[in-house]
Amino acid sequence: NAGVTQTPKFQVLKTGQSMTLQCAQDMNHNSMYWYRQDPGMGLRLIYYSASEGTTDKGEVPNGYNVSRLNKREFSLRLESAAPSQTSVYFCATQGYSNQPQHFGDGTRLSIL
Amino acid sequence: AQKITQTQPGMFVQEKEAVTLDCTYDTSDPSYGLFWYKQPSSGEMIFLIYQGSYDQQNATEGRYSLNFQKARKSANLVISASQLGDSAMYFCAMRETNTGGFKTIFGAGTRLFVKA
Repeated sequence: NAGVTQTPKFQVLKTGQSMTLQCAQDMNHNSMYWYRQDPGMGLRLIYYSASEGTTDKGEVPNGYNVSRLNKREFSLRLESAAPSQTSVYFCATQGYSNQPQHFGDGTRLSIL
Repeated sequence: AQKITQTQPGMFVQEKEAVTLDCTYDTSDPSYGLFWYKQPSSGEMIFLIYQGSYDQQNATEGRYSLNFQKARKSANLVISASQLGDSAMYFCAMRETNTGGFKTIFGAGTRLFVKA
């Protein structure tokens, strides 16, 4: 009954370090998304995957890469972390177009 | 280009009164869906209501209703009989179905404060 699982929940990095955020779902949803949410602001779309084998850029893709490993898993990689990437990262999934997104609990990432 | 705008950073409402949260959008996709989510201080995203672009009637879910004006490209959320527990951030989101490849973006949000 997990839904959408994000790991880790918290992480502190130094500038220039790399990091992969993991997202796994058991919803059997085709679409998966990565968002970032800065304090007091809305969610901004980083990358999304409409189905297994496809990925597309969102609103703020610079500095990130993604991998849709299979239908269940969608990872987000920061190759060289920068302080501007300090944020809370949410993974979400969606089934049919009229269904809401299901969100993970978020990863709180701080880059010093 | 796909765009969502929420122009009210913060709103105050008296308990038991109704409040309208504004949302306007822009898209060239004739098929799209509009969603409202609530985010309490605990951080989880809670789905409230959905409106499809081809739906003829405004969506309603309990105390939530969506005032959908397609020609004006607006999808305002109306909360009736506000409760203290309604204090939270509220986000409008849009999903393009055809041209957007299921791309879903969010507005900047409106923080609602309910006063006792």
